[in-house]
Amino acid sequence: GIQVEQSPPDLILQEGANSTLRCNFSDSVNNLQWFHQNPWGQLINLFYIPSGTKQNGRLSATTVATERYSLLYISSSQTTDSGVYFCAVEKTSYDKVIFGPGTSLSVIP
Amino acid sequence: DGGITQSPKYLFRKEGQNVTLSCEQNLNHDAMYWYRQDPGQGLRLIYYSQIVNDFQKGDIAEGYSVSREKKESFPLTVTSAQKNPTAFYLCASSNADRAHEQYFGPGTRLTVT
Repeated sequence: GIQVEQSPPDLILQEGANSTLRCNFSDSVNNLQWFHQNPWGQLINLFYIPSGTKQNGRLSATTVATERYSLLYISSSQTTDSGVYFCAVEKTSYDKVIFGPGTSLSVIP
Repeated sequence: DGGITQSPKYLFRKEGQNVTLSCEQNLNHDAMYWYRQDPGQGLRLIYYSQIVNDFQKGDIAEGYSVSREKKESFPLTVTSAQKNPTAFYLCASSNADRAHEQYFGPGTRLTVT
């Protein structure tokens, strides 16, 4: 099956700093999604981005499908950005979604 | 409000007892999913269902059972055969052909002693 890797596994940022999170996947995928899990466990969809670039406020994401990676950019980080960021891929529609191991982000004031 | 509810938020059980976790959605989604998350780990798929009265095993189905008698409901039973049941359990739903757009419930934290 598809392998999904995320880096770095852990990240500590000073409030206001920028960061880039990476997701690599081992095979071509039809779909890719980024999630944020807050410290209380709730998972929130951030982006559905099988290819191209999307932006939503201070967050943006880019997926280069031909090179099998996706990047999540967080600018001007805030303490509320803390939590775990997961990417999840799906080879085709109706397939299982495979989650990466996550990047744990801590933003300190 | 549309959404997914899981109850209870915290659940404690003695070893050897079966326990059922509830998941309800009013999003009119066809597909529903159960994931397990261990501390510091990603999500692993336990079971999923794309239509009423049908479900498939995920990657770690042993020791778990599910039913899908109604579109809105997908309860998960953690049986005594599950060797390490203590974990955070997340339920999700999506349209059947849009598994990439899954919406998650708040989770149930199960502790078995």
